[in-house]
Amino acid sequence: GAVVSQHPSWVICKSGTSVKIECRSLDFQATTMFWYRQFPKQSLMLMATSNEGSKATYEQGVEKDKFLINHASLTLSTLTVTSAHPEDSSFYICSASSRDRGLTDTQYFGPGTRLTVL
Amino acid sequence: AQKITQTQPGMFVQEKEAVTLDCTYDTSDPSYGLFWYKQPSSGEMIFLIYQGSYDQQNATEGRYSLNFQKARKSANLVISASQLGDSAMYFCAMREDKGGSEKLVFGKGMKLTVNP
Repeated sequence: GAVVSQHPSWVICKSGTSVKIECRSLDFQATTMFWYRQFPKQSLMLMATSNEGSKATYEQGVEKDKFLINHASLTLSTLTVTSAHPEDSSFYICSASSRDRGLTDTQYFGPGTRLTVL
Repeated sequence: AQKITQTQPGMFVQEKEAVTLDCTYDTSDPSYGLFWYKQPSSGEMIFLIYQGSYDQQNATEGRYSLNFQKARKSANLVISASQLGDSAMYFCAMREDKGGSEKLVFGKGMKLTVNP
């Protein structure tokens, strides 16, 4: 149990285009989903927290108009990188948690999406 | 100040030996949770083990155990009988429970290499 998927696993796009990344919880309903960014050989940096049906909460320094997050259902959240530029190239990874699981609000992570902007 | 400190950038261990990965944390919140995740070269973050601040006993999950020393604010991960597949990056993380936040703060990670 606690499987989270991400799609696509990798994407290459031209500068100026927008890219959408999907994050799905496959076997549980995620009350909260998180989006992280990870640069090579570095730790995860939280970008935003989203709850189903409400606006995402962005971390300081993260442009909400640049990184659009939609949490349309209890199993799906999307991150759209708008007008992508080469500096947006990174590894984006989502996680999902659910208080309903009766555990410890453990975050379960997706496999990540590697974005390369040319 | 860093909330999660992992001072070992990398470690090497022989297959079948035990290894301890260090993690210290800093919080004034009496209620918090500590997590360890493994990240192999494929990039996925794999949840290994959890320790709650009020848990009386050290957490164990198969070959993983967490040596929780609350007074020292340390939460070291112990992997017994290392396997080649244990080679990966390992991240310690903390969730502070104040305000109902579910946010995790990650350490910088450390790279474990298991040699045959």
